[in-house]
Amino acid sequence: AQSVSQHNHHVILSEAASLELGCNYSYGGTVNLFWYVQYPGQHLQLLLKYFSGDPLVKGIKGFEAEFIKSKFSFNLRKPSVQWSDTAEYFCAVKGVTGGFKTIFGAGTRLFVKA
Amino acid sequence: AAGVIQSPRHLIKEKRETATLKCYPIPRHDTVYWYQQGPGQDPQFLISFYEKMQSDKGSIPDRFSAQQFSDYHSELNMSSLELGDSALYFCASSSSAGVGDTQYFGPGTRLTVL
Repeated sequence: AQSVSQHNHHVILSEAASLELGCNYSYGGTVNLFWYVQYPGQHLQLLLKYFSGDPLVKGIKGFEAEFIKSKFSFNLRKPSVQWSDTAEYFCAVKGVTGGFKTIFGAGTRLFVKA
Repeated sequence: AAGVIQSPRHLIKEKRETATLKCYPIPRHDTVYWYQQGPGQDPQFLISFYEKMQSDKGSIPDRFSAQQFSDYHSELNMSSLELGDSALYFCASSSSAGVGDTQYFGPGTRLTVL
């Protein structure tokens, strides 16, 4: 069965610190991978996505993620966080075949101290 | 650019009442997804529709039903509401014609069951 595991439920950083949020998935096939961000009181917004090609993908607001197929991982990174990055981050996986269902991880709540 | 529209944005109901949530996808998007996000939880996939037909089904209770209409908008009907149904209900849409399957989320309907 598909599953997504996010390593940290809560992360607290100071501004300008580097960020890495872990995401591992379980799926027996080709996947599409996503990171979504949910700012307080708002809906999910797409940060970045991986479908194929270069495993290092760049998204909005300086975020990037690297797909490592051998490790079933899709970690999210940002070199220098800002207070405005305070939000919840969700990793999501969708199998290329086998239906329309997208599975979300439990989310990582990031708090950036000014 | 047009986004996914959901209505109402907030809904308060009492136990055992019914509720109807509406979702208007991005123009030319043919696939609609419904998710339920409980307080402090990750979005849980409920159901999806492609070209007005149910395409996939997740953890949707039997008390809930949904459909997609000829104009591609979708409605989620919820009956015999329970306290535990209080959550944020997101709709997302995507286009099968695009590369990959990026889902764009609406602002959500916050349902409170008293």
